[in-house]
Amino acid sequence: KNEVEQSPQNLTAQEGEFITINCSYSVGISALHWLQQHPGGGIVSLFMLSSGKKKHGRLIATINIQEKHSSLHITASHPRDSAVYICAVPSTRDGGGSNYKLTFGKGTLLTVNP
Amino acid sequence: DGGITQSPKYLFRKEGQNVTLSCEQNLNHDAMYWYRQDPGQGLRLIYYSQIVNDFQKGDIAEGYSVSREKKESFPLTVTSAQKNPTAFYLCASSITGTGFYEQYFGPGTRLTVT
Repeated sequence: KNEVEQSPQNLTAQEGEFITINCSYSVGISALHWLQQHPGGGIVSLFMLSSGKKKHGRLIATINIQEKHSSLHITASHPRDSAVYICAVPSTRDGGGSNYKLTFGKGTLLTVNP
Repeated sequence: DGGITQSPKYLFRKEGQNVTLSCEQNLNHDAMYWYRQDPGQGLRLIYYSQIVNDFQKGDIAEGYSVSREKKESFPLTVTSAQKNPTAFYLCASSITGTGFYEQYFGPGTRLTVT
């Protein structure tokens, strides 16, 4: 079964700083999911990526399949970016019927101060 | 608007009582999921369903039950057999197929059992 490690667990930044959150996993995968959980608990999907890089506004996600590693970057961070960021991967290598089963990291709590 | 609704947002119960959490989606997704979130831990899969009238146990199904009588609805019952039911519960849905598909999450229900 896939194991997921996120770092750091907690991150405090000043507004405007460049943020990097890392995610490593143990089993080769087809794609990886980055999620954002707001203080109220709701979760929204930020990215799904299987190779290279994706960009959405100030958020950039990269993945290196060979190294089993992904990073989420936030440029020009803002207090409204304060949230928990979670990465998730398929629980098994080929998915099969288990593409529906995800293994989640414990999350990175980001606090951006004005 | 398309989305997933969970009700209620907060739920309080006495120990020994069964309680049912509601999850409804109007995204026309075949697959639905229930997750449990505890402080400091990643989301853990309780049950999932890929099609109406069928569902499978996830990693922590003991003490829980589900039904999938309609495509739109996937209620979760927390039974008195669940040893530690106080947690944040999240419902999600996705399309199905042989790939790895984005999951869409509801706002969650915070259950407190005393």
